[in-house]
Amino acid sequence: DTEVTQTPKHLVMGMTNKKSLKCEQHMGHRAMYWYKQKAKKPPELMFVYSYEKLSINESVPSRFSPECPNSSLLNLHLHALQPEDSALYLCASSQDAGGTPYEQYFGPGTRLTVT
Amino acid sequence: QQPVQSPQAVILREGEDAVINCSSSKALYSVHWYRQKHGEAPVFLMILLKGGEQKGHEKISASFNEKKQQSSLYLTASQLSYSGTYFCGATADRGSTLGRLYFGRGTQLTVWP
Repeated sequence: DTEVTQTPKHLVMGMTNKKSLKCEQHMGHRAMYWYKQKAKKPPELMFVYSYEKLSINESVPSRFSPECPNSSLLNLHLHALQPEDSALYLCASSQDAGGTPYEQYFGPGTRLTVT
Repeated sequence: QQPVQSPQAVILREGEDAVINCSSSKALYSVHWYRQKHGEAPVFLMILLKGGEQKGHEKISASFNEKKQQSSLYLTASQLSYSGTYFCGATADRGSTLGRLYFGRGTQLTVWP
């Protein structure tokens, strides 16, 4: 099973709302990632979790708050977002995030619209 | 540290070949290739590690030229299903990899019947 699942598929939220994006994988991967992708642009790394610990935060604004409750789950908590945060949010996982580069498996993404 | 991809777009007829290049001004440790169809997630194609290896998968293969700091993706006898945006992702060196992939801007490939 090489599947990464994400919920919800679509999310519309106001600038004062609080919402969460969820990601799950059952491949036994120990590294999980959040990416943001704008239309016609490449995915942009936001966060990396390695063995359930945050190892990379690419200077993401604090209105995005990641959480890794266990090795299979990854959440992204959203609060007080701006319209420019509207994008496709992709979750990915890989075997590890150490010295050996492994392929990353992407979920289908959550299409977020901030109104 | 974003790698540079070329060309930006390619239009092909079914059965034709294409080459997509990915280059970097910094030393590369690994290059990852992904294909993304409209409205879908990127799908992993292959990884190449420093060492100049070449990999193949059916009619899609890739090479990594360490001297030129460049990777090329070769699509031969293209099929309609090859249409999509191809991204290369690069990691700079083994020590600081930590899963940090820098993606190129993508190459939009369209295959017509």
